Amino acid sequence: AQSVSQHNHHVILSEAASLELGCNYSYGGTVNLFWYVQYPGQHLQLLLKYFSGDPLVKGIKGFEAEFIKSKFSFNLRKPSVQWSDTAEYFCAVKNNQGGKLIFGQGTELSVKP
Amino acid sequence: DGGITQSPKYLFRKEGQNVTLSCEQNLNHDAMYWYRQDPGQGLRLIYYSQIVNDFQKGDIAEGYSVSREKKESFPLTVTSAQKNPTAFYLCASSDHPGLAGGPVRTGELFFGEGSRLTVL
Repeated sequence: AQSVSQHNHHVILSEAASLELGCNYSYGGTVNLFWYVQYPGQHLQLLLKYFSGDPLVKGIKGFEAEFIKSKFSFNLRKPSVQWSDTAEYFCAVKNNQGGKLIFGQGTELSVKP
Repeated sequence: DGGITQSPKYLFRKEGQNVTLSCEQNLNHDAMYWYRQDPGQGLRLIYYSQIVNDFQKGDIAEGYSVSREKKESFPLTVTSAQKNPTAFYLCASSDHPGLAGGPVRTGELFFGEGSRLTVL
């Protein structure tokens, strides 16, 4: 069965530190990949997505993610985090025949000012 | 503005009662989804529907039921058979990447603001 794994459950960083959140998935076919963010008290919103083309994807607020097909990974990165990046981050995978979108367990990011 | 509307935002229910959560979208999306969010468990898929009058069970469908009689609406009923119903419920919709024509479709999900159900 298709599954998504986020290895870090809670990450604590100081402002200006670099961020990398891991995401691995198990589906063997062609996939669409997403990172969503949930700021405190707000609804889920899309950070970035990959469905084809350049495997390095740039999203909003300086985030980027790299799709490495051989590793079944789609890690999220940001060179320098800000206090306002404090949120929960979810990786999600969908096979490109449509169907269901599967989410990882989420990673809570706390950025200390 | 286009978007997804969930209601009610907060709901309390006594054990043994069924409750229905509303989800309406005006994005003209074909697919709609219900997820349950619990701390430390991420989002788990309850049911999804790729087209009107059709829906499939997700990973945790037991104790829930849905209907999709209209494209805009995908209500979720939490029945008394659901053993642990207290949770935050999220509805989402997406275009369908498998459909031909028009702009590129990626299946990006758009989420509502959620409904928090508490069983007393």
